[in-house]
Amino acid sequence: GAVVSQHPSRVICKSGTSVKIECRSLDFQATTMFWYRQFPKQSLMLMATSNEGSKATYEQGVEKDKFLINHASLTLSTLTVTSAHPEDSSFYICSARDGRLNPTDTQYFGPGTRLTVL
Amino acid sequence: QQQVKQSPQSLIVQKGGISIINCAYENTAFDYFPWYQQFPGKGPALLIAIRPDVSEKKEGRFTISFNKSAKQFSLHIMDSQPGDSATYFCAASIRGSNYKLTFGKGTLLTVNP
Repeated sequence: GAVVSQHPSRVICKSGTSVKIECRSLDFQATTMFWYRQFPKQSLMLMATSNEGSKATYEQGVEKDKFLINHASLTLSTLTVTSAHPEDSSFYICSARDGRLNPTDTQYFGPGTRLTVL
Repeated sequence: QQQVKQSPQSLIVQKGGISIINCAYENTAFDYFPWYQQFPGKGPALLIAIRPDVSEKKEGRFTISFNKSAKQFSLHIMDSQPGDSATYFCAASIRGSNYKLTFGKGTLLTVNP
């Protein structure tokens, strides 16, 4: 149980284009979802927290107009990187928490999406 | 300000040995302490977690030791295997803060055969 999927696993795009990454909880209701980015050999950096049906809360320094987050259902959240630039190239990882049927503090992570902006 | 300090940055252990990774925190409001294992190119996977009302928790070869007064917790991997070679992250969260995780910087563990 507690499986989180991400799609795509890898994406290469041209500078200036937008990229959408999907995060799904497959067997539980994700009342809260989190988006992280991770640079090589570094720790995870929280970008934003989203509760189902509410606007995302962004961490300090994260541009909310550049990283659009939608959490429209209890099983799906999307991260859209708008007008991507090479410096946005990174490993993006989502996580989800079940706060309804089986409330827990635990965050379950997706497999990550490698974004490369040319 | 780094709220969770993890050490060592890297660790090399022989097969069958014990791997020990330490973390220290500053915020006494933290009430949940998980450890995650991450392989290259993959997302982190939960290994084991503990709450501050428990001093030790064991699951298979993995044990968390928790010292509330010292604000420290550690991960012990018994009988370390080459397949345990990965990056390990400690983390901490607060229920009242929307369960946001604060991560340590990670420890790259290499288990030699």
